[in-house]
Amino acid sequence: ITLKESGPTLVKPTQTLTLTCTFSDFSLNTDDVSVGWVRQPPGKTLEWLTLIHANHNEWYNQSLRSRVTVTKETSGKQVVLKMTDMDPVDTATYFCVRGSFEGGFDFWGQGILVTVSS
Amino acid sequence: QSALTQPASVSGSPGQSITISCTGTSSDVGNYNFVSWYQQHPGKAPRLMIYDVTKRPPSGISDRFSGSKSGNTASLTISGLQADDEALYYCSSYTNTGSFVLFGGGTMLTVL
Repeated sequence: ITLKESGPTLVKPTQTLTLTCTFSDFSLNTDDVSVGWVRQPPGKTLEWLTLIHANHNEWYNQSLRSRVTVTKETSGKQVVLKMTDMDPVDTATYFCVRGSFEGGFDFWGQGILVTVSS
Repeated sequence: QSALTQPASVSGSPGQSITISCTGTSSDVGNYNFVSWYQQHPGKAPRLMIYDVTKRPPSGISDRFSGSKSGNTASLTISGLQADDEALYYCSSYTNTGSFVLFGGGTMLTVL
């Protein structure tokens, strides 16, 4: 099982960030799994952002709910994160994860460092 | 300040045992057995070591790693310390607040 993040590594303040997670050896169309996003600012701890289940249920960190959207592609092999109104404090490595609130996140992508700067 | 409290650092010699604590509240650690522990080496993604307080994933995590919980505090114990155990360790818990998942601030383990 692998997950990989893709998208821009540099965005300007106020822009919308769009990241794609592409995964293999499981499917959000057929398996009872969830995929989501966790971020980590440089030198800081982890912050959970969002999770989407195969049954289309979505969960969001309330602190970012107004800015974050997660969707799953029809292929069942990709999940897309959108975060609006980016700010320099959003500079972080964004990880795609598979897992659940109960069982933890058992597989992680390598992460993508996104820098917010003009 | 993180919602779950961990010591900033711990250290031990090869072969020794160490324990890392993770203190939360009755909204998270205290009332749910959904505590996980992650190991992160520099420049790498975190790796799940323990979930549901005491369980090891089927991905081949050594039985030198064990978890426990008492009240609002969860703990990760590493026995028979090895050089490769030197890393950052994060605890995580489900929470019944709008955050759903909380992480600790991280503990740097140094193997002397």
